Amino acid sequence: AQSVTQPDIHITVSEGASLELRCNYSYGATPYLFWYVQSPGQGLQLLLKYFSGDTLVQGIKGFEAEFKRSQSSFNLRKPSVHWSDAAEYFCVHLATSGTYKYIFGTGTRLKVLA
Amino acid sequence: EAGVAQSPRYKIIEKRQSVAFWCNPISGHATLYWYQQILGQGPKLLIQFQNNGVVDDSQLPKDRFSAERLKGVDSTLKIQPAKLEDSAVYLCASSLTTISYEQYFGPGTRLTVT
Repeated sequence: AQSVTQPDIHITVSEGASLELRCNYSYGATPYLFWYVQSPGQGLQLLLKYFSGDTLVQGIKGFEAEFKRSQSSFNLRKPSVHWSDAAEYFCVHLATSGTYKYIFGTGTRLKVLA
Repeated sequence: EAGVAQSPRYKIIEKRQSVAFWCNPISGHATLYWYQQILGQGPKLLIQFQNNGVVDDSQLPKDRFSAERLKGVDSTLKIQPAKLEDSAVYLCASSLTTISYEQYFGPGTRLTVT
């Protein structure tokens, strides 16, 4: 079965520091990948998506992600974290066998220190 | 464009009681999804509709959960009777079709079963 792995359950960074959240997806799957953010009490907001083309994709709020097929990875990065970035981040893979379905990672909770 | 609407936003009930959640998708979206998100986990798909027909309900605990989308627009998810382990956020999402790349999420309903 196709799966998405987010190895880090919790990450703590200082405000202004750089951030990288890791995501690995099932090898060989079609690389339709997303990153969503969920702030406390809020729904899921799309940060960015990758379907094809340039492997470095830019998203909202200063986030970017790089798709690396050889490593089956789609890591999310931000050069300078703001306190408002504290939230839970989900990597999502779109499975396209039959009807299209989202496969969610378990999420990474980001804490930002002032 | 209006987003996905859900109500109520919060609900507290006692175990063995029943509860219902409502979702109104983005206008024109034929596919509607209900997800269950238990604290600390990624969302899990419960049921997927295409118009008023069920496409996938393989993860729906049918002994206590039911869902309908009678006119192919808004949808209701019901739990009867509720158990403590049903405490979760219930997310509704919609997409244009069953083979759309992107889903759009509502704010969710947080259910607490005591």
